Amino acid sequence: NAGVTQTPKFRVLKTGQSMTLLCAQDMNHEYMYWYRQDPGMGLRLIHYSVGEGTTAKGEVPDGYNVSRLKKQNFLLGLESAAPSQTSVYFCASSYGRVNTGELFFGEGSRLTVL
Amino acid sequence: DQQVKQNSPSLSVQEGRISILNCDYTNSMFDYFLWYKKYPAEGPTFLISISSIKDKNEDGRFTVFLNKSAKHLSLHIVPSQPGDSAVYFCAASALGNQFYFGTGTSLTVIP
Repeated sequence: NAGVTQTPKFRVLKTGQSMTLLCAQDMNHEYMYWYRQDPGMGLRLIHYSVGEGTTAKGEVPDGYNVSRLKKQNFLLGLESAAPSQTSVYFCASSYGRVNTGELFFGEGSRLTVL
Repeated sequence: DQQVKQNSPSLSVQEGRISILNCDYTNSMFDYFLWYKKYPAEGPTFLISISSIKDKNEDGRFTVFLNKSAKHLSLHIVPSQPGDSAVYFCAASALGNQFYFGTGTSLTVIP
């Protein structure tokens, strides 16, 4: 049982380049989330999805886009990367609304934008 | 503005003693709280939760206390073990919506 899998684990980009982070979960969870972790800032929610075909903005959505075409996958896109987007990105999933259980996290993807 | 705050970036405790990690929040609508543990190069893993209808929840060596009037929760680890050395995040949600995370406390348990 893989749980939540993120690819790639590491990536270095130049300013202005684009990329997509892929998150896959095999737990049949409805809800999926993308967080970023920065020093002194904790985990901040970028975007989330409450089901296939849905997306919603979190705390820090600017500069990112997401898609949930399949229930098990949640993609995070950077159309024009900026150094401020250097961070560790975590994907998470949950069975339902967050007050009914826990979030399951992936191992993280470290992105550096030069 | 940070709605969930962990004011101690780090904590060192001797093995066998009690570790107390603190968390404060500002939003009175928060009704569900979790603690997560994170090792380097890994994702956070769930530790323990508490609903606002309770003031205490225990799971083995871990106990979470909630003081709603003070908007404060704490995680007690007794006895502390070297394997508990990690970064601990508290998180809060209101009405089942998104979680807000604190900045984390790095716990070091000294053998």
